[in-house]
Amino acid sequence: NAGVTQTPKFRVLKTGQSMTLLCAQDMNHEYMYWYRQDPGMGLRLIHYSVGEGTTAKGEVPDGYNVSRLKKQNFLLGLESAAPSQTSVYFCASSPAGGLENTEAFFGQGTRLTVV
Amino acid sequence: AQKVTQAQTEISVVEKEDVTLDCVYETRDTTYYLFWYKQPPSGELVFLIRRNSFDEQNEISGRYSWNFQKSTSSFNFTITASQVVDSAVYFCALRMNTGFQKLVFGTGTRLLVSP
Repeated sequence: NAGVTQTPKFRVLKTGQSMTLLCAQDMNHEYMYWYRQDPGMGLRLIHYSVGEGTTAKGEVPDGYNVSRLKKQNFLLGLESAAPSQTSVYFCASSPAGGLENTEAFFGQGTRLTVV
Repeated sequence: AQKVTQAQTEISVVEKEDVTLDCVYETRDTTYYLFWYKQPPSGELVFLIRRNSFDEQNEISGRYSWNFQKSTSSFNFTITASQVVDSAVYFCALRMNTGFQKLVFGTGTRLLVSP
């Protein structure tokens, strides 16, 4: 089973360039998330989605946009990359609420460097 | 507000030693979930355990054990007879059952197990 797949796995951008990170899940999960991981700061939520066609801001949304046109895909866009966006990006998905279905599944991560 | 604190930034042990990773959380919710994830050097996030707030029983899985104490808002993780393969960053996370159920992560503890 593929689970959560992120593409690309690595990318180097020049300051000001744009790019889109793709996250795809095959578990029919309602919720999807984008996190960034920086040294000493753990994982911080950028944006999230509770269903197809809906998105919302997380903890650190500035400089990013997202879209969820299809339930299985969650795209993270950087319109004008900055060195401060150098990070490892993780996508995750989980089923909607309930006592049992509360585990989040993570992708392999995307290491982005902005020079 | 919800918060997870992992005060230990890095721990170094010698193989076969026991080691405990501390996790302290803050939440006003009465229903919530606690998680531990492992991030090995390869970078992916591996789910280890989920515990809901109504279940304070300790859990043991092989060399791993977890001690959940609501009275001190702690969810500590012990590895018995550590092995080199246990070397990783370990994240504790908290998820509420109300509103949007995002995962709030601690900053992680890096465990180095030397031969």
